Amino acid sequence: AQSVTQLGSHVSVSEGALVLLRCNYSSSVPPYLFWYVQYPNQGLQLLLKYTSAATLVKGINGFEAEFKKSETSFHLTKPSAHMSDAAEYFCAVSDNLGGGGNKLTFGTGTQLKVEL
Amino acid sequence: DAGVTQSPTHLIKTRGQQVTLRCSPKSGHDTVSWYQQALGQGPQFIFQYYEEEERQRGNFPDRFSGHQFPNYSSELNVNALLLGDSALYLCASRPRDRDTGELFFGEGSRLTVL
Repeated sequence: AQSVTQLGSHVSVSEGALVLLRCNYSSSVPPYLFWYVQYPNQGLQLLLKYTSAATLVKGINGFEAEFKKSETSFHLTKPSAHMSDAAEYFCAVSDNLGGGGNKLTFGTGTQLKVEL
Repeated sequence: DAGVTQSPTHLIKTRGQQVTLRCSPKSGHDTVSWYQQALGQGPQFIFQYYEEEERQRGNFPDRFSGHQFPNYSSELNVNALLLGDSALYLCASRPRDRDTGELFFGEGSRLTVL
């Protein structure tokens, strides 16, 4: 089974500083990887996805992630944090269940706090 | 274009009761999945429906059951509620013929079991 590990359940940065949220995956086949964001009392919104095209993936709100096969990593970055980025971030890997079915396996999440 | 819609948004039940949660998928989507997100955790896969049948199931007991209707909407039923069933229940949809694995999520139904 595929899995992801998010290092750091809480990350705090200053406004304007670099955001780095870590995700490592375990997969026996080339994975499809995702980052989702969840604001308080809301559902999940897709930030970006890797589907075996370009290894550097750009998403919404200035976020990007780089797929590194040698490190089995898919870390999320943003050059300059904004107060509105405060939220919980989930890394996920898609598990093909056959017959057109799939499920996402999520990490435990990283809560991002942005301070003035 | 409406996204994934879920109802109700919040509900409170007592132990032993039964609950039904509803989901309408995004327009053009025919595959619906349900996830349970306990407080402070990532979402956990419950099951997936397409062509009105349960196709895949996660590690959840039979107390969790579902249904998909001809219009692709879906219900999640939980019987004999336990305190541990308190969670945010997320519905997600996708078009079955797209294999990137991306899912579109609703806002969720927050269930509290007392």
